[in-house]
Amino acid sequence: AVQLTQSPSSLSASVGDRVTITCRASQGIRSALAWYLQKPGKAPKLLIYDASTLESGVPSRFSGSGSGTDFALTISSLQPEDFATYYCQQFNSYPITFGPGTKVETK
Amino acid sequence: QITLKESGPTLVKPTQTLTLTCTFSGFSLSTSGVGVGWIRQPPGKALEWLALIYWNDNNRYSPSLKGRLITTKDTSKNQVVLTLTNVDPVDTATYYCGLSYFDTSVFVYWGLGILVAVSS
Repeated sequence: AVQLTQSPSSLSASVGDRVTITCRASQGIRSALAWYLQKPGKAPKLLIYDASTLESGVPSRFSGSGSGTDFALTISSLQPEDFATYYCQQFNSYPITFGPGTKVETK
Repeated sequence: QITLKESGPTLVKPTQTLTLTCTFSGFSLSTSGVGVGWIRQPPGKALEWLALIYWNDNNRYSPSLKGRLITTKDTSKNQVVLTLTNVDPVDTATYYCGLSYFDTSVFVYWGLGILVAVSS
């Protein structure tokens, strides 16, 4: 199974900050990576798929990059509603796997 | 408008069989490329993919559940059923169902989830 690691596991940031979260796959997954945002007690919300394609309705401050084994999610200017946990997910091969998550907290 | 909703017991005893139903609207599971998946999340932990059933009855399962999982679909009722046998306290989690398109495993829409506790 493809293992995903995320860095950092948590970070503290302020509104307006630029934030980057990385996701590394244990083997090449082409661009078959998605990013989700999850708030406490809520279902995950799809942000990006195919590594860099923004899901409809998602603000343009979110962007994704990478291919192969190294990926990144960037929030260009952190907003109050962005404090949450972020997960990457690979869909290149079964079993589908998720990363361990990155919690973005307020500084 | 697309919606999904999980239903089932919120408490099951160890060794019992857990049966959850995902009832959806706004799409058809007979449409080419559509799939409904199950993902769970133990309290305070990460997401774990369990299963995915596609429009063409293609089923995919997580090998970590070691043959304990079965998913079925009822297209006429707009439902997908997940059956997990021989449950253990480690199966305590919020269980989500999600919609995927275009024969991918990207979950575009999610249900609200149902918290299931396994305890005697």
